[in-house]
Amino acid sequence: DGGITQSPKYLFRKEGQNVTLSCEQNLNHDAMYWYRQDPGQGLRLIYYSQIVNDFQKGDIAEGYSVSREKKESFPLTVTSAQKNPTAFYLCASSISAVSGETQYFGPGTRLLVL
Amino acid sequence: AQSVSQHNHHVILSEAASLELGCNYSYGGTVNLFWYVQYPGQHLQLLLKYFSGDPLVKGIKGFEAEFIKSKFSFNLRKPSVQWSDTAEYFCAVSTGTYKYIFGTGTRLKVLA
Repeated sequence: DGGITQSPKYLFRKEGQNVTLSCEQNLNHDAMYWYRQDPGQGLRLIYYSQIVNDFQKGDIAEGYSVSREKKESFPLTVTSAQKNPTAFYLCASSISAVSGETQYFGPGTRLLVL
Repeated sequence: AQSVSQHNHHVILSEAASLELGCNYSYGGTVNLFWYVQYPGQHLQLLLKYFSGDPLVKGIKGFEAEFIKSKFSFNLRKPSVQWSDTAEYFCAVSTGTYKYIFGTGTRLKVLA
């Protein structure tokens, strides 16, 4: 089945620790995205990538980093600089980053701080 | 700044009631409009979308939405809801860039 997978489903972070969230897609999509979902705030864009080896900051990139070394993979690292990381993180992809393309979402990773 | 407003944060309806969820956006140019739905325990998925043409758009599961350009609105409707429509609904706007702007979501609970 084609789709987007995210792992782990739940992730616990200790103070001062960096953690990495995985996102993989087998849809052959060029564009990939990371969103953060908080109650009452909808989805906010963290980073996006239009093509391999290229990515840009979204609206709330501070404290996060990404890489796009392979077309199918777009991992997100939550660094210790992110002071309020507890949230639900959604990865998405689309055929391209052109306006209006449907985005397909993964199941999400819930990050909790110990 | 571009934004999307969803007026109802929580809606509770009985089965067979009619549904209308409001969505307004602020952007003066050409837009593409979307409604996404997140059923409990499932991925966020596309319900319907508007690109151009007929402003009344039909989606999956009997949902429809009407784009009213003069009101900057894209309200979601369903004539008769079912218990299985219990979910969170997000309106989104895509403009001339890469970017989607999502509303804050509306949690719908349908009572059997």
